[in-house]
Amino acid sequence: DAGVIQSPRHEVTEMGQEVTLRCKPISGHDYLFWYRQTMMRGLELLIYFNNNVPIDDSGMPEDRFSAKMPNASFSTLKIQPSEPRDSAVYFCASSLTGGISNQPQHFGDGTRLSIL
Amino acid sequence: GQQLNQSPQSMFIQEGEDVSMNCTSSSIFNTWLWYKQDPGEGPVLLIALYKAGELTSNGRLTAQFGITRKDSFLNISASIPSDVGIYFCAGLRPENSGGSNYKLTFGKGTLLTVNP
Repeated sequence: DAGVIQSPRHEVTEMGQEVTLRCKPISGHDYLFWYRQTMMRGLELLIYFNNNVPIDDSGMPEDRFSAKMPNASFSTLKIQPSEPRDSAVYFCASSLTGGISNQPQHFGDGTRLSIL
Repeated sequence: GQQLNQSPQSMFIQEGEDVSMNCTSSSIFNTWLWYKQDPGEGPVLLIALYKAGELTSNGRLTAQFGITRKDSFLNISASIPSDVGIYFCAGLRPENSGGSNYKLTFGKGTLLTVNP
């Protein structure tokens, strides 16, 4: 089975540039999550979607960050303009319907972002 | 926000030794999850625990959901070199009264090094 697919795997760009990260969740999963991982702060939840609708974006650092999920099989996380402090590994994860069963999340391999 | 205290932060052991790590929180969780992250990859789910007191094994791994629902531990028996990586605990709880939306909170991770 295909897991969560993220692209690109690595991105290096200059500050001020727009960055777009992409994610394809596991087919049939209702939830999609975007995380950021750094040495200092560990794994932080940025935003998550349920059935393509953003549910909680309280983790999004600031207005430079935006996320969309136009359909059940695709999501983007955009940073505009990018800054060096945005350098991190960004993970996408998906899960089946939550609720009582509390389904575990399955992660992609991440996008390593470096802003120069 | 909710905090998960994971310990130890790192461990350096000899091949064949047993390993134990744990997570505690001041908050109650409905589900505890344990993930392993290899370099350059996303976290991979090892064990999911859904009931207080539950003890679950997956090969050489054993994890327990604390009876107070505020803690969990992971044991690895007879460690081997490929056990090297970062182990994360994560707690899951509903965000709304209906339980249809939920948030996963991660510990900071335990870095395990196994000396052959």
